[in-house]
Amino acid sequence: GAVVSQHPSWVICKSGTSVKIECRSLDFQATTMFWYRQFPKQSLMLMATSNEGSKATYEQGVEKDKFLINHASLTLSTLTVTSAHPEDSSFYICSAKDREAFFGQGTRLTVV
Amino acid sequence: AQSVAQPEDQVNVAEGNPLTVKCTYSVSGNPYLFWYVQYPNRGLQFLLKYITGDNLVKGSYGFEAEFNKSQTSFHLKKPSALVSDSALYFCAVRDGATGQNFVFGPGTRLSVLP
Repeated sequence: GAVVSQHPSWVICKSGTSVKIECRSLDFQATTMFWYRQFPKQSLMLMATSNEGSKATYEQGVEKDKFLINHASLTLSTLTVTSAHPEDSSFYICSAKDREAFFGQGTRLTVV
Repeated sequence: AQSVAQPEDQVNVAEGNPLTVKCTYSVSGNPYLFWYVQYPNRGLQFLLKYITGDNLVKGSYGFEAEFNKSQTSFHLKKPSALVSDSALYFCAVRDGATGQNFVFGPGTRLSVLP
């Protein structure tokens, strides 16, 4: 089946630095990818829809200047958490849709 | 607006017994319904989906789910639970007519006791 690869699996960074998370569709092209955030013991919340070749569409309450999304090709979308703070610590998951949606393995971000 | 409810935070079942994880949904158009499983610090793995056709859908790892339109439910079931089934289960809905993204339920933690 289709595979979505997300990298890194985990990252620890200092407050004020930026972190980039990559999401790749390995064997299919995805014009649209989705970025979710999962807080401990909570469900996944959609952050934004990443569109190849155009600007991402952000959900209400998500700061577009803080969570930069780039979808430069049909197989790669990146999420950059800029000027990270401890409250940005979370589990981030991307998704790309082929016939059905496939999810990356997630990235555990810890900001110290 | 779409919404998904999973009324149970936690379900405990003995190994070998049948299990049910409940899900109800609300969507304006035709519902596309999904079940995903998440193991600790991992992404979501697709289990099964209902788009159209038979109300009973069979999926991965012996799981199945029954679509009930009148009760707006899509409960996940398995005849005989395994300890390895212990994980977090998410029900999700997508509006078939207009939606691209999913709305997830809050998740149900399944513990299968040996």
